[in-house]
Amino acid sequence: GAGVSQSPSNKVTEKGKDVELRCDPISGHTALYWYRQSLGQGLEFLIYFQGNSAPDKSGLPSDRFSAERTGGSVSTLTIQRTQQEDSAVYLCASSLEGGPYEQYFGPGTRLTVT
Amino acid sequence: DQQVKQNSPSLSVQEGRISILNCDYTNSMFDYFLWYKKYPAEGPTFLISISSIKDKNEDGRFTVFLNKSAKHLSLHIVPSQPGDSAVYFCAASAWNSGGSNYKLTFGKGTLLTVNP
Repeated sequence: GAGVSQSPSNKVTEKGKDVELRCDPISGHTALYWYRQSLGQGLEFLIYFQGNSAPDKSGLPSDRFSAERTGGSVSTLTIQRTQQEDSAVYLCASSLEGGPYEQYFGPGTRLTVT
Repeated sequence: DQQVKQNSPSLSVQEGRISILNCDYTNSMFDYFLWYKKYPAEGPTFLISISSIKDKNEDGRFTVFLNKSAKHLSLHIVPSQPGDSAVYFCAASAWNSGGSNYKLTFGKGTLLTVNP
């Protein structure tokens, strides 16, 4: 079956512009996660959605970052007024339910802020 | 403050030999551990996990060992194959401690190269 898909695969943007990153989770997965991997670093948790519950936004690094999940499926991560330190690979993952269990990752979006 | 540490950025082994990847953690609330494998331009894929009630979990060529007192886990790959060449991430969760038990805390990864 189809895995987690993300778009775009690469995004180059100028400092100060807004960007939207999209994630299509595996059908039927109720939990969706966003992570960020900066150069030479591990994956950093950003935000978690589980069903209709309020999302856990505790990992978002600043108020320039926001995310939505519409209809319990597709999610968009929005970064406003991008800064050079936002350059990273943004990874989305989904799982059947919330928990540390196997999370299925998408290929990521490489964001470069110039 | 890094709660999950993979102190070896890279490891090189010969095909057929054992690969041992190490991971240390500092948070005593962590009780569930996972290893992920990542190829370039792909997302990480789940490899194997272990709960803190065990000290060993085996799946084919992959075995994870957990030493709770030392807060240390290791992934053994035997025999190593060229296709195993990838970045391996160790991740940890406070699964039974309640709260945000879905959060995974990742190490920085170890690049494994298996030479033919």
